[in-house]
Amino acid sequence: KNQVEQSPQSLIILEGKNCTLQCNYTVSPFSNLRWYKQDTGRGPVSLTIMTFSENTKSNGRYTATLDADTKQSSLHITASQLSDSASYICVVSFSFTGGGNKLTFGTGTQLKVEL
Amino acid sequence: DTGVSQDPRHKITKRGQNVTFRCDPISEHNRLYWYRQTLGQGPEFLTYFQNEAQLEKSRLLSDRFSAERPKGSFSTLEIQRTEQGDSAMYLCASSLARTGGEEKLFFGSGTQLSVL
Repeated sequence: KNQVEQSPQSLIILEGKNCTLQCNYTVSPFSNLRWYKQDTGRGPVSLTIMTFSENTKSNGRYTATLDADTKQSSLHITASQLSDSASYICVVSFSFTGGGNKLTFGTGTQLKVEL
Repeated sequence: DTGVSQDPRHKITKRGQNVTFRCDPISEHNRLYWYRQTLGQGPEFLTYFQNEAQLEKSRLLSDRFSAERPKGSFSTLEIQRTEQGDSAMYLCASSLARTGGEEKLFFGSGTQLSVL
């Protein structure tokens, strides 16, 4: 069973609309929760990083929330653009004793924005 | 381009052959990570370096896999006696370790390996 589960698996929305992606995780303990955007054939790009004490973090049109009690996070995208079409991946980070972070990735939500 | 660079972008090999991938991190980044991503899945941690020291290795990294970062700059990942199950995208990421603040990883575009 994946330790980071995301829903929906895929989503199609019209340009200009908003959407919310969900993430549930069981990884424990963790240092922070991250959201990444990954275009096809490219490496993931960081959108937000939240520690377990943060409830929300924004980056432009992206707003992430975190509820550490229920182990849930969401990513809200406002005023979607065609260029937002990509996979959005929820990531839980665990810090190694000697420093460094092990990232546990979800399988992603594939978002397609259409005209 | 000052991002993380990986070479080659694509590699096709026959089962049993050895392959080597290279990663050039962002200049002055002291941490370097290797991840593997199979189709439809998220990346999985393989190993990471702080400078030239390999500090952590995943159980996914069988004895056929070896990674090096000899001078604390670029890194290589070698797979010996490749198997079809090794077919995946191999991603490299780098970061600058510092006190305070969250570590941000920057990923390269990956090397897509196909084992026939």
